[in-house]
Amino acid sequence: DTGVSQDPRHKITKRGQNVTFRCDPISEHNRLYWYRQTLGQGPEFLTYFQNEAQLEKSRLLSDRFSAERPKGSFSTLEIQRTEQGDSAMYLCASSRDENQPQHFGDGTRLSIL
Amino acid sequence: QKEVEQNSGPLSVPEGAIASLNCTYSDRGSQSFFWYRQYSGKSPELIMFIYSNGDKEDGRFTAQLNKASQYVSLLIRDSQPSDSATYLCAVNTGGFKTIFGAGTRLFVKA
Repeated sequence: DTGVSQDPRHKITKRGQNVTFRCDPISEHNRLYWYRQTLGQGPEFLTYFQNEAQLEKSRLLSDRFSAERPKGSFSTLEIQRTEQGDSAMYLCASSRDENQPQHFGDGTRLSIL
Repeated sequence: QKEVEQNSGPLSVPEGAIASLNCTYSDRGSQSFFWYRQYSGKSPELIMFIYSNGDKEDGRFTAQLNKASQYVSLLIRDSQPSDSATYLCAVNTGGFKTIFGAGTRLFVKA
């Protein structure tokens, strides 16, 4: 396994700008998850893909957030019109099956100025 | 009541001692249970998973599951300063849904 890869590792941007993050899952994993984590909290679920299909979205994911997984490979998470409250670590994870362990990437730390 | 509860700590143990980390969950239908270690500023790293009642051992780590009591624990034997981290309990409540606790901070004193 080459591991889950996320890019960029850090993103600093001004409020109101759009940002896009990328996640490359472990190659044989067809389940992909996005989480958000803030200081002192556990990861909070944002959205889930099985292959290219987005099967679930959290109510945390406002209409400013969108995620895609074209062709069931890498995934992108876009945040439009960023707000101060979007500052967090955005984590991507993948797994072989739904009840199998999820393996996390290094995350993207977003800071909104 | 939170779906997955952990004592936030910090839990402080001397080097070489056994660290005991506990987690309770609310959904009786939960099937899979995971422990992750997270160093400050880093992402969670899987260290143990358990599906059946009882104990599961892997090196210095033992996961214990009691579904009747809705309780899962992690024991770390011969604790080392490098074990100092936040330990996250995660519970799969069915399908894709995995709920994470807020974590317990562990300090191992040299």
